[in-house]
Parts: sequence; C-alpha cells; structure tokens
Amino acid sequence: EVVLTQSPGTLSLSPGERATLSCRASQSVSGNYLAWYRQKPGQAPRLLIHRASNRATGIPDRFSGSGSGTDFTLTISRLEPEDFAVYYCQQYGTSSYTFGQGTKLEIK
Amino acid sequence: QVQLVESGGGVVQPGTSLRLSCAASGFTFSIYDMHWVRQAPGKGLEWMAVISYDGRNEFYTDSVQGRFTISRDNSKNTLYLQMNSLRAEDTAVYYCARDGSGWSHDYWGQGALVTVSS
Repeated sequence: EVVLTQSPGTLSLSPGERATLSCRASQSVSGNYLAWYRQKPGQAPRLLIHRASNRATGIPDRFSGSGSGTDFTLTISRLEPEDFAVYYCQQYGTSSYTFGQGTKLEIK
Repeated sequence: QVQLVESGGGVVQPGTSLRLSCAASGFTFSIYDMHWVRQAPGKGLEWMAVISYDGRNEFYTDSVQGRFTISRDNSKNTLYLQMNSLRAEDTAVYYCARDGSGWSHDYWGQGALVTVSS
C-alpha cells in the first residue's frame, strides 16, 4: 500500500499570502494519479486537482498542482478567506486508494 | 446538477448490521464507478470501497474486506453499503463519491453519520 505523508501538519498564513503544501508518497504514484481536496469544517471534501496538475471543474486558477513520482505540491497563489480549511492528497494504485493525513491551513 | 444523498445512518450496537444508501441524480449513474469514503470524528479521510459502473467488480480496503459489501441498483440510481459485524472503530461519517477523471472523486454526498456504541 502506498502511504502518503503530507507536510506541514498545520500551516499558518494570512489572506493574500502564498501557500505551498507537500504530499510525499512511499513509492512512485502510478500514472501520477494524485488528487488534492479541500475540506471546510462540517462539509464534504471538494476536488481541486486531479492527475497531479489538472484543475477540476470550477476551481479558480489560484490553485495549481505539480510534481511527479513520489513528490507532489499544491500551491495556492493568493489565499482567500474560504481557503482556510484542511487539504488532503489522495492517490490511486492497483484498485486501491489512499489519502494523506491532511494539512490544516489556518489564519495567522 | 450532480447530487448524491446518503441515508441510513444512525446509532447501532457493536456486532450488528446497517445498510447505507446513496441516491444519485443529475448524471447518468449507470456509466460511473462509485465509491464509499469514511471519516472518523476529528480524523482524516479513509477510502472504503469502489464498485464498477456495471456492478461486476468491487474492491475494498483491508480493514472492511469480508465485513462490508458495496452494491448498486442502476435501475434506481442508488448505491449501497452493507455493513456487518460493526465495531466501535467503524464510527464515522460515511460519504459516497463519484469516480472522476484521473481516478479522483469528483462529487461527494453530504455524508451519513454511523455511530457504533453499546
């Protein structure tokens, strides 16, 4: 099973700043099938990025994903108030999916 | 618009069974693989199971293999999760999700809370 480790655990920033979130896999993610989700309190997760760098429908261009193999990054160029939430990465491999433990993005 | 609505959650005793349903609308349900994902209170997301669009193939995470069964009725646009031999550690919000591009989950329901407690 591929283990995803997200860092940092908590990131404290201010609105307007740039956020960089990391997701590292214990082995190479096949096909770069790596997705990112944002989860606001009390809500279901929302897909942001699929296949490492493709924005999902309706996701603003301040969100971007990059990386390949075992190291992936989600960048939020200018933080909006609604971006302060928990972010998860998720990978697919051989009929199985795993999520990272999450990064909490909080207001500084 | 795409909608997924879970139902069937509640409080149950350890060792008992429960069936969750997920009613889908706003898309052609019968051509999409579907998933169940859960989230224990205050914890992260855990993928549970996936079923192919035609119901012929199912895959599970190890922790529920043999206890949980995913199924679907394409005539009713409904996804199910049969949960047997429930344990306290199965307490969680259970989400159904649609399979999206790049093996992601592109739409999620609002979740159903299952509490396993004596």
